[in-house]
Amino acid sequence: EIVLTQSPGTLSLSPGERATLSCRASPSVDSRYLMWYQQKPGQAPRLLIYGASSRATGIPDRFSGSGSGTDFTLTIGRLEPEDSAVYYCQRYGSPPPFTFGPGTKVDIK
Amino acid sequence: EEQLVESGGALVQPGGSLRLSCVASGFTFSSYEMIWVRQAPGKGLEWVSYISGNEKSIHYADSVKGRFAISRDNAKNSLYLLMTSLRVEDSAVYYCARGVSPWGQGTLVTVSS
Repeated sequence: EIVLTQSPGTLSLSPGERATLSCRASPSVDSRYLMWYQQKPGQAPRLLIYGASSRATGIPDRFSGSGSGTDFTLTIGRLEPEDSAVYYCQRYGSPPPFTFGPGTKVDIK
Repeated sequence: EEQLVESGGALVQPGGSLRLSCVASGFTFSSYEMIWVRQAPGKGLEWVSYISGNEKSIHYADSVKGRFAISRDNAKNSLYLLMTSLRVEDSAVYYCARGVSPWGQGTLVTVSS
């Protein structure tokens, strides 16, 4: 079974700074199956990135995804206050389970 | 607009049963796989169950296998999750999702005596 590990647990940054979030998979994941979500308090998760690097509809271009195999990265280019949220990576591909990582909380100071 | 709306969450005693519903609109429901995901209070996301559009493929997380049953009624654009033998640790917000997107707003299940 695939395990996803996210780091750091919490990231505290200022508006305009760059955020780099890591998702490591063990064993490796087909990049087609790696997703990133954003979840704000009291809201459902929202798909940001699919297939490791493709932005979902309506997602600003300051969000970008990269990586392959065991190492994947979500980068938020210039943080805005509304980017405060928890970010999850997920492996979504056959066969299940559709594992989620534990999440990275991004605080905008 | 593509939308999912869950319902059926409630307070239930340990050992009890509950059926969650998820109604879809704005897309051809029968063409899409659907999943249930839960989130315990203050915790992360946990995938629960999966069903293909034609109901021929169904999968469960080990934590709910044998206790939960996923189903769908494509004529009613509806997805269901029948939860039996509920445990305190099943307490969570339950979300339905069309694969990876979109997601519903969630429905709260609390298992407590």
